[in-house]
Amino acid sequence: QVQLVQSGAEVRRPGASVKVSCKASGYTFSSYFIHWFRQAPGQGLEWMGVINPSGGGGTTHAQKFQGRVTMTRDTSTSTVYIDLSSLRSEDTAVYYCARAISIVATMGFDPWGQGTLVTVSS
Amino acid sequence: DIVMTQSPLSLPVSPGDPASISCRSSQSLLHTNGFKYLDWYLQKPGQSPQLLIYLSSNRASGVPDRFSGSGSGTDFTLRISRVEAEDVGVYFCMQALQTPLTFGGGTKVEIK
Repeated sequence: QVQLVQSGAEVRRPGASVKVSCKASGYTFSSYFIHWFRQAPGQGLEWMGVINPSGGGGTTHAQKFQGRVTMTRDTSTSTVYIDLSSLRSEDTAVYYCARAISIVATMGFDPWGQGTLVTVSS
Repeated sequence: DIVMTQSPLSLPVSPGDPASISCRSSQSLLHTNGFKYLDWYLQKPGQSPQLLIYLSSNRASGVPDRFSGSGSGTDFTLRISRVEAEDVGVYFCMQALQTPLTFGGGTKVEIK
């Protein structure tokens, strides 16, 4: 079945960086864009960005993460990564990857990864 | 950015009763292709969000037919015809028309 499996929880100091992975299986990796979201404790969902796993691995990210976020992919292992730098306490959240159900449109995310808790604390 | 506004914030429901959640967007979600790019998700306690409805009114695979979605270009509704205990959690609407994708604040459905 289609599945996204994320890396485990991370703890970082303010100012550090964190890299979260999302390994895809059960489908053709290069055919579907992967999106990243996050959810701060007790809060709603926030879109961070998207990566095209095929070709040059083009990305688009939310303006608020400009200069701090990098999304990459490894086609040999069907894995995408999100790297967030200059961490601050407000970045403490569960980070999710998700795949759209369509290869031609951004709509309907299913499945989602299980989530990765990133805690930023001194 | 498109602002999504959901109501109510909390919705206590008795088992077997219907439930309705509203979602309003700050601009039309109607694409030139005729589809409305509005999704509904349910996040059960301690779980990742799960897709219920996409393109405003299409049930995702495996979603019970007691869930239905409708809406115009800016006003959308998720309906549960008969709430069951397994339906508890937080419901989110999300616009997928343009980036940044944005979500409503969520509606917490609980059983009375």
